[in-house]
Amino acid sequence: GDSVTQMEGPVTLSEEAFLTINCTYTATGYPSLFWYVQYPGEGLQLLLKATKADDKGSNKGFEATYRKETTSFHLEKGSVQVSDSAVYFCALSDQNAGGTSYGKLTFGQGTILTVHP
Amino acid sequence: NAGVTQTPKFQVLKTGQSMTLQCAQDMNHEYMSWYRQDPGMGLRLIHYSVGAGITDQGEVPNGYNVSRSTTEDFPLRLLSAAPSQTSVYFCASSYSLHREQYFGPGTRLTVT
Repeated sequence: GDSVTQMEGPVTLSEEAFLTINCTYTATGYPSLFWYVQYPGEGLQLLLKATKADDKGSNKGFEATYRKETTSFHLEKGSVQVSDSAVYFCALSDQNAGGTSYGKLTFGQGTILTVHP
Repeated sequence: NAGVTQTPKFQVLKTGQSMTLQCAQDMNHEYMSWYRQDPGMGLRLIHYSVGAGITDQGEVPNGYNVSRSTTEDFPLRLLSAAPSQTSVYFCASSYSLHREQYFGPGTRLTVT
């Protein structure tokens, strides 16, 4: 079945440091890939997405590239801020060659990011 | 436009009690779903619906019931609460599974 594996956390960085959160996936069809962010006490928000191989999703200085050859979708940001402290979830939505969804969004376990001033 | 709303925000139940977690959206989304979030396990899909009158099981459906009588509402029922159901529950909606999912603020449930 489908699965998503994220790097172990928590991750602690100083402000302006470079961020990478690794995400790899296993899927049987043609997945779309997502990064969601959860700020303390809130629900999840979509951060970025990519729907096919070699697509790059970007938002708020974050980027991730859909790499089919390595089945990866790593999240990067060049210079993190204290306000980026949150939990980050990688997720996939699988579908068959005809574009029919298999009916679920599969999440990784989440990575806690803390950024210190 | 309120987005996805959930009530209550917090709830404490005793083992064996039943209750309904409410979820509503005002975006005319066809797809709605319920997840539970547990430490170190990400979010796991409980039940989902692709439209009014249509529901299906997700990854962890046991102990939960759902129905979808309208496009707007998707309540989650706990039939007989157990301590293993202590979790944070999120409702989400979207135009389709491959579009952005909008999440509610969550319900923190404790079963003693």
